[in-house]
Amino acid sequence: NAGVTQTPKFRVLKTGQSMTLLCAQDMNHEYMYWYRQDPGMGLRLIHYSVGEGTTAKGEVPDGYNVSRLKKQNFLLGLESAAPSQTSVYFCASSGDIPTDTQYFGPGTRLTVL
Amino acid sequence: AQSVAQPEDQVNVAEGNPLTVKCTYSVSGNPYLFWYVQYPNRGLQFLLKYITGDNLVKGSYGFEAEFNKSQTSFHLKKPSALVSDSALYFCAVREVTALIFGKGTTLSVSS
Repeated sequence: NAGVTQTPKFRVLKTGQSMTLLCAQDMNHEYMYWYRQDPGMGLRLIHYSVGEGTTAKGEVPDGYNVSRLKKQNFLLGLESAAPSQTSVYFCASSGDIPTDTQYFGPGTRLTVL
Repeated sequence: AQSVAQPEDQVNVAEGNPLTVKCTYSVSGNPYLFWYVQYPNRGLQFLLKYITGDNLVKGSYGFEAEFNKSQTSFHLKKPSALVSDSALYFCAVREVTALIFGKGTTLSVSS
């Protein structure tokens, strides 16, 4: 039981390049989330999903897209990376809301030059 | 909208002393409150949560938190701090489906 996994762990992009971050969970959770963490700002929600085939915007969705084609996977895409997207990205999943715990992946450190 | 505040950016405590990391919240309706810990270059680890019931919640690694409705607080506590407790601590509140996080408090435990 791996929990929540993320790939890649590190990535360096040039401005304007694109990439996809992959999140996978093996806990059969309905809900999945993408957050970004920046120094002194805590974690901010980018997008989330309440089930396979669904996505919704969070607090800071601009410049990102997501897809949830399979229940266990949640992809975060950057179509045209900008230096402001340099951050650490965390994926999380949870079962029944509002009481269930949210479990986090190990994070992806992204640098955009 | 729900929100949490962690009024201290950093807390310093000597090993063996009790520690408190503060969190206050603002919610409409029932509060669902969480504490997470983050060690350097790692993901967030769940410590404990308050859903309903007993105001004193016990969690992992000897941590506990006290829910105080009148003061809208959910402070994290430990009776005797360890150097290994040094980390970044986040308080969070559930808003519909996702969590709203505080900015975090760095705990430094000196030997």
